[in-house]
Amino acid sequence: KQEVTQIPAALSVPEGENLVLNCSFTDSAIYNLQWFRQDPGKGLTSLLLIQSSQREQTSGRLNASLDKSSGRSTLYIAASQPGDSATYLCAVRPQGSARQLTFGSGTQLTVLP
Amino acid sequence: DTAVSQTPKYLVTQMGNDKSIKCEQNLGHDTMYWYKQDSKKFLKIMFSYNNKELIINETVPNRFSPKSPDKAHLNLHINSLELGDSAVYFCASRVAGGEQYFGPGTRLTVT
Repeated sequence: KQEVTQIPAALSVPEGENLVLNCSFTDSAIYNLQWFRQDPGKGLTSLLLIQSSQREQTSGRLNASLDKSSGRSTLYIAASQPGDSATYLCAVRPQGSARQLTFGSGTQLTVLP
Repeated sequence: DTAVSQTPKYLVTQMGNDKSIKCEQNLGHDTMYWYKQDSKKFLKIMFSYNNKELIINETVPNRFSPKSPDKAHLNLHINSLELGDSAVYFCASRVAGGEQYFGPGTRLTVT
């Protein structure tokens, strides 16, 4: 059974800092991995999708990497802004017919102005 | 121009009632999902529905029943609501191999 862990559970940084959020998963037989952002009281917004054959994906100030063999992904946020404050969720889709996302518990990020 | 929409946004009801949450996606996706997010913010899959094939998470009580009138809609009906059903319910959809898109959520409170 796939388990997804995100560390740290909460992170507070001053504006302008670069930061890294971590995600680890127990079963490396994945189809893809997706990073989401969730603002309080809102739904999930997809940030980046990395297919199992890819090593990284970039979108603006965000860069997500994937190391399937070690069961890890990182989300790098450059030059953080107060508007980046949210909960960041990592989700893994396994190979096979089920292909349902398994979510981590998230990292709550606060960027202080 | 919302991609995945849910109604209602908030639902407050008493124990024992039956209620439904509606979900619609205008993305042309083949697969739709229902998730439950509990008070600790943990997201768990409840159902997925792909081309008329329903995949049920075995931990979901049979009081919960998804209904898909067509490919663009996946509604969630809940019978005999219990206090523990209080949570935020998210609908989502995706195309094969692609990103998953989520609706805004329905906050269900059972009193």
